[in-house]
Amino acid sequence: AQSVAQPEDQVNVAEGNPLTVKCTYSVSGNPYLFWYVQYPNRGLQFLLKYITGDNLVKGSYGFEAEFNKSQTSFHLKKPSALVSDSALYFCAVRERGNQGGKLIFGQGTELSVKP
Amino acid sequence: DVKVTQSSRYLVKRTGEKVFLECVQDMDHENMFWYRQDPGLGLRLIYFSYDVKMKEKGDIPEGYSVSREKKERFSLILESASTNQTSMYLCASSFRLGKSGAGFETQYFGPGTRLLVL
Repeated sequence: AQSVAQPEDQVNVAEGNPLTVKCTYSVSGNPYLFWYVQYPNRGLQFLLKYITGDNLVKGSYGFEAEFNKSQTSFHLKKPSALVSDSALYFCAVRERGNQGGKLIFGQGTELSVKP
Repeated sequence: DVKVTQSSRYLVKRTGEKVFLECVQDMDHENMFWYRQDPGLGLRLIYFSYDVKMKEKGDIPEGYSVSREKKERFSLILESASTNQTSMYLCASSFRLGKSGAGFETQYFGPGTRLLVL
């Protein structure tokens, strides 16, 4: 069965430091991978996706993510964190054979960036 | 810009009431989805729809039903609300798979409805 794991419930980072939010997945075959962000009292906003090609994907707001097939991971990264990056982050996966577009989400990681 | 709207941001209902949550998208998307979000559990799919009058069960359909009479509107119905249905409900929409030629379609989310069942 498909699954997504975000091993950290919360990540704390000082402003200006690099940040990493971890995600591992389990699917049969090659996946489509996504990151979404949720600011307080808002819906989810799409950040970036991996479909094929270069393992390093760049997205909105200076975020990037690295697809690692051997480790089945898709960690979200940013070189220099901002206080405004504080939010809830979700990793999601879809199997390539899934025609319906159904996504499986991780449980979310709360990112807190302190000044 | 894609816009997905939900009828209420906050809703308080009593146990046993019938509850309607409505979602409207303005991008002519074929696919629409209803999720519930609970702390520590992430988002779980309740129902989704590929087209008008079509629906498919997601991972947690029990206690819910849906209606899609028009392409732009997808309603989630709680026939008899219970306290364990207190949650944040999120609607999403996307194009039919492959419509953009990319082989995938991004889901766009509404702002959510926070439902409290007393």
